[in-house]
Amino acid sequence: AQSVSQHNHHVILSEAASLELGCNYSYGGTVNLFWYVQYPGQHLQLLLKYFSGDPLVKGIKGFEAEFIKSKFSFNLRKPSVQWSDTAEYFCAVFSGGYNKLIFGAGTRLAVHP
Amino acid sequence: NAGVMQNPRHLVRRRGQEARLRCSPMKGHSHVYWYRQLPEEGLKFMVYLQKENIIDESGMPKERFSAEFPKEGPSILRIQQVVRGDSAAYFCASSPGQVANTEAFFGQGTRLTVV
Repeated sequence: AQSVSQHNHHVILSEAASLELGCNYSYGGTVNLFWYVQYPGQHLQLLLKYFSGDPLVKGIKGFEAEFIKSKFSFNLRKPSVQWSDTAEYFCAVFSGGYNKLIFGAGTRLAVHP
Repeated sequence: NAGVMQNPRHLVRRRGQEARLRCSPMKGHSHVYWYRQLPEEGLKFMVYLQKENIIDESGMPKERFSAEFPKEGPSILRIQQVVRGDSAAYFCASSPGQVANTEAFFGQGTRLTVV
């Protein structure tokens, strides 16, 4: 069955530190990839998405992600985090064969000033 | 353009009662997805609907849960005879077409508490 793994469940960083959140998926066919963010008490918002083309995708708020097909990975990065990045981050995969978005368990990021 | 609207935001039910969760998709969106989020877990897919049709309900528990998306009005997720284990946040998402070609927009969720 298709699955999405996020390796870090909790991450604590200081402001200005660099961030990388891992995401791996199991499906081998054509996939669309997403990162969503959920700020405390709010709904999920799209950070960035990959459908095709350049595997390095730039999103909002300085986030980027790189699709590495050979590793089935779509890791999220930000060079310098801010306190306002404190949130939960979800990786999600859509594959046509399954007709729905599959989410990872999420990573809670806490950024200390 | 209003986003995906879910109501109520918070719902408290006693064991054995029915819970009805509503989702109004964004204007022009005909695809609706329901997800459940349990504490410390990710979003679990429940059901995917298009207008008047259930496309994929592989994530729905076989008993007590049902969903609809009528031609007019919001999508409804209905939970009959609720139990404590149904306590969770339920999120609805909508998209104008299949997510393969676009993106899903999420509502703010309904937090169901069963007492």
